[in-house]
Amino acid sequence: EVQLVESGGSLVQPGGSLRLSCAGSGFTFSGDGMSWVRQAPGKGLEWVSVISSGGDRTYYADSVKGRFTISRDNSKSSLYLQMNSLRAEDTAVYYCAKGGRYHGLGVWGQGTTLTVSS
Amino acid sequence: QSALTQPPSASGSPGQSVTISCTGTSSDVGGYNYVSWYQHHPGKAPKLMIYEVSQRPSGVPDRFSGSKSGNTASLTVSGLQAEDEADYYCSSYAGSSSVGVFGTGTKVTVL
Repeated sequence: EVQLVESGGSLVQPGGSLRLSCAGSGFTFSGDGMSWVRQAPGKGLEWVSVISSGGDRTYYADSVKGRFTISRDNSKSSLYLQMNSLRAEDTAVYYCAKGGRYHGLGVWGQGTTLTVSS
Repeated sequence: QSALTQPPSASGSPGQSVTISCTGTSSDVGGYNYVSWYQHHPGKAPKLMIYEVSQRPSGVPDRFSGSKSGNTASLTVSGLQAEDEADYYCSSYAGSSSVGVFGTGTKVTVL
């Protein structure tokens, strides 16, 4: 079964840092681009970041550029999102998804919750 | 990276059809055939329903269909069923330096 499982969500103070992880299984992890998508409370989906299958190309939403870093370890079938200088508006459920910018996000995890508050 | 525009809500009775629009620009929806649609039941993981404007992933009922004209893409759900009640989001490729963009979302209610 193709599966993505996110972890690392937490309550963090403004200005703090956190790293989210996503473990993939049931598919050839190194063969696909991967994405992070978030949904703030009461809001719609926002595409946060995308990374190519080999990890050499990355893309970010303007709202997180310079603060978030996406990375992957294909040997561990894992995707990461390093988040620095966190703001209240980063509060959201963060989803890991299999796929890049072209052909749709075909598999999603259940999400992990980040709350940024003092 | 402005969100694509969708109507906030749409509704229909069981068995009827509902069509949701997704309006962008020539830099996203109108410029590429990389429009996707997602079904999202609150508290669950979103599900891909349509990719590349009109392609259905394996397992998605053929009651779901997609199309595009100019800068506007559309999702049609035919033969509405109770389980189709959910939030629906479009997304589009938005150029070589962009992460991609989602629509504002449409809540579909089955009356």
